[in-house]
Amino acid sequence: DAGVTQSPTHLIKTRGQHVTLRCSPISGHKSVSWYQQVLGQGPQFIFQYYEKEERGRGNFPDRFSARQFPNYSSELNVNALLLGDSALYLCASSHRQGYGYTFGSGTRLTVV
Amino acid sequence: ELKVEQNPLFLSMQEGKNYTIYCNYSTTSDRLYWYRQDPGKSLESLFVLLSNGAVKQEGRLMASLDTKARLSTLHITAAVHDLSATYFCAVGPELDMEYGNKLVFGAGTILRVKS
Repeated sequence: DAGVTQSPTHLIKTRGQHVTLRCSPISGHKSVSWYQQVLGQGPQFIFQYYEKEERGRGNFPDRFSARQFPNYSSELNVNALLLGDSALYLCASSHRQGYGYTFGSGTRLTVV
Repeated sequence: ELKVEQNPLFLSMQEGKNYTIYCNYSTTSDRLYWYRQDPGKSLESLFVLLSNGAVKQEGRLMASLDTKARLSTLHITAAVHDLSATYFCAVGPELDMEYGNKLVFGAGTILRVKS
C-alpha cells in the first residue's frame, strides 16, 4: 500500500509569490493535517481537515489556506511568501479515530 | 495551551551506554507519541502510548508514560551508531479525538552516538 504522498519534494520560490503543496493520504484515511517544520524546531500544526471540512487551525496568518477534495487529497496554499516561510511542510493522514498520524516525506520549500 | 518540553535538546553518547530522554507536557492528555527523524527526512513513528503506565519496547528503545506526572520517557539501552537521529515526542489533546489528534510537538532531542 502506498503511504502518504506529497508533491513536489523540493521547490524554490521568490518572496511575494504563491505556492501550492499537494498531499494524498493513505487509502481509507479521511483526515489530513498539515505541519510546518522550520529547521531545528519541532513541527507546528497548521490545519486539519476531515471529510472536506476544516476541523482545526493553528496559529498561522491568513496567507495560509488549505482544502480537502472528495478523494481526501489535500492542498496547502501559501500566498505572498516570506523568507520565514522556508521550511519542511509535512502532511499526515490518520484514521477517523486517529491512533496518531502517518507522515509523508514532506515538501522542502525555500523562499529566496 | 498545551506545551511540550523535551530534555535534553542535545545528547552525545558513547556506543554501549544507556540514557533517557524526558518529555513533559502541560495539560491532561492520554495520547503520547514518539517519532524519529533522520536529517532531511520525514517523521517515523516509533511508539504510541495510550494510557497511564503504558510501556512499549522496540529493540534498544523503550518508552513509558506517566499521565499523573505528565511525563514520558524514551530510554535507550546499549546505544549503537544507527540510533543517531532527532527524536520528538508529541502529545495529542483530548479534543477532536474522533477525527484524529492535533499533535503538539516538543523541540526534539538530537542524539549522536559516537563509536
